[in-house]
Amino acid sequence: DSGVTQTPKHLITATGQRVTLRCSPRSGDLSVYWYQQSLDQGLQFLIQYYNGEERAKGNILERFSAQQFPDLHSELNLSSLELGDSALYFCASSLRTGALNTGELFFGEGSRLTVL
Amino acid sequence: AQSVAQPEDQVNVAEGNPLTVKCTYSVSGNPYLFWYVQYPNRGLQFLLKYITGDNLVKGSYGFEAEFNKSQTSFHLKKPSALVSDSALYFCAGLFMTTDSWGKLQFGAGTQVVVTP
Repeated sequence: DSGVTQTPKHLITATGQRVTLRCSPRSGDLSVYWYQQSLDQGLQFLIQYYNGEERAKGNILERFSAQQFPDLHSELNLSSLELGDSALYFCASSLRTGALNTGELFFGEGSRLTVL
Repeated sequence: AQSVAQPEDQVNVAEGNPLTVKCTYSVSGNPYLFWYVQYPNRGLQFLLKYITGDNLVKGSYGFEAEFNKSQTSFHLKKPSALVSDSALYFCAGLFMTTDSWGKLQFGAGTQVVVTP
């Protein structure tokens, strides 16, 4: 058990809908990362937060947004869903970020999104 | 562009034989390199990292990796593979952004299949 909790584990929805994925980082971790894993794109970095502030952005679509709340949990919002958004979405956490980032992330078990 | 590459989609090895999973990198400056493993229906787990120092890095579950600057490689190795090592292995590189916050980017992954 990594200590990172993601909900829901599975989600099935229709095109055009909006969903919210939730992540609770390990106790004490200040950084939260979101990754998307799909068969054709592999593991893609989406976005990173540190102590409530956005710190790095990857290949995140404009239809997607995220935030990290004062209690450090994070939410990834996916809107106007398309078939191609079907994927496994991982949240990861680490103690810190920035130039001293050790790169050791602790991953949750993912939220599997299926868009029909 | 800074990146990591895993040239093999799949590696097949018999139990008890040596296992090698290849990774090459392209980065300006000092590379920070990592290996992660993903078991079926689970999140990624950290195996080991190279930041600086000894080119041979030892990690979890008997794995080690050798950093080779001249060949820009960071291959993962295990002297004697187990059936339980069958999983998806990811090489990752920590690439610094202009504000030095850094992003951890993953290779495409290599599926390891260990047969009894």
